[in-house]
Amino acid sequence: DGGITQSPKYLFRKEGQNVTLSCEQNLNHDAMYWYRQDPGQGLRLIYYSQIVNDFQKGDIAEGYSVSREKKESFPLTVTSAQKNPTAFYLCASSPGFGTSETETQYFGPGTRLLVL
Amino acid sequence: AQKVTQAQTEISVVEKEDVTLDCVYETRDTTYYLFWYKQPPSGELVFLIRRNSFDEQNEISGRYSWNFQKSTSSFNFTITASQVVDSAVYFCALSAPHTGKLIFGQGTTLQVKP
Repeated sequence: DGGITQSPKYLFRKEGQNVTLSCEQNLNHDAMYWYRQDPGQGLRLIYYSQIVNDFQKGDIAEGYSVSREKKESFPLTVTSAQKNPTAFYLCASSPGFGTSETETQYFGPGTRLLVL
Repeated sequence: AQKVTQAQTEISVVEKEDVTLDCVYETRDTTYYLFWYKQPPSGELVFLIRRNSFDEQNEISGRYSWNFQKSTSSFNFTITASQVVDSAVYFCALSAPHTGKLIFGQGTTLQVKP
């Protein structure tokens, strides 16, 4: 089955610790995205990548880092510089760019990050 | 700046009622895309519908229909004959082509009671 997988489902972070959230897709999509969702809120874009080895900051990139070494994978690291990391993190992908069809984003199941 | 407003925070209906979710957007782009997503309690966002800014034809897909009006910058979404399984948070989103950015509204929580 084609889709987007995120792991782990729940993640606990200690103070001062960096943690990495995994996102993998087998849809052969060129573009991938990371969003953060706080309770009762909409989603906010953290980072996005249109192509392998290239990525762009979104609206709330501070305290986060990403890499895109493979087309299928777009891991997100929450660094110790992110002072309020507790949130629901959603990864998405889209076929590419150019039309509303190719720019439609499809989402993974999400990772809930909690601070101990 | 781009912005999406979903003024309805929560809506509660009884099963089989029709329900319309409102979405108003702001953008200076002449070309843009609009989307509706559903977020059930499991958390995953499910894509429902999309519309290009240059196509104002309104459509019906099963129990879903949408009303896109550029003159009022609105993209409303209607569920006909609602069912309990429709209970979820619904998000309207706006994107500017080639940017990769989706701007989401705050979401509307729909509760369908049996």
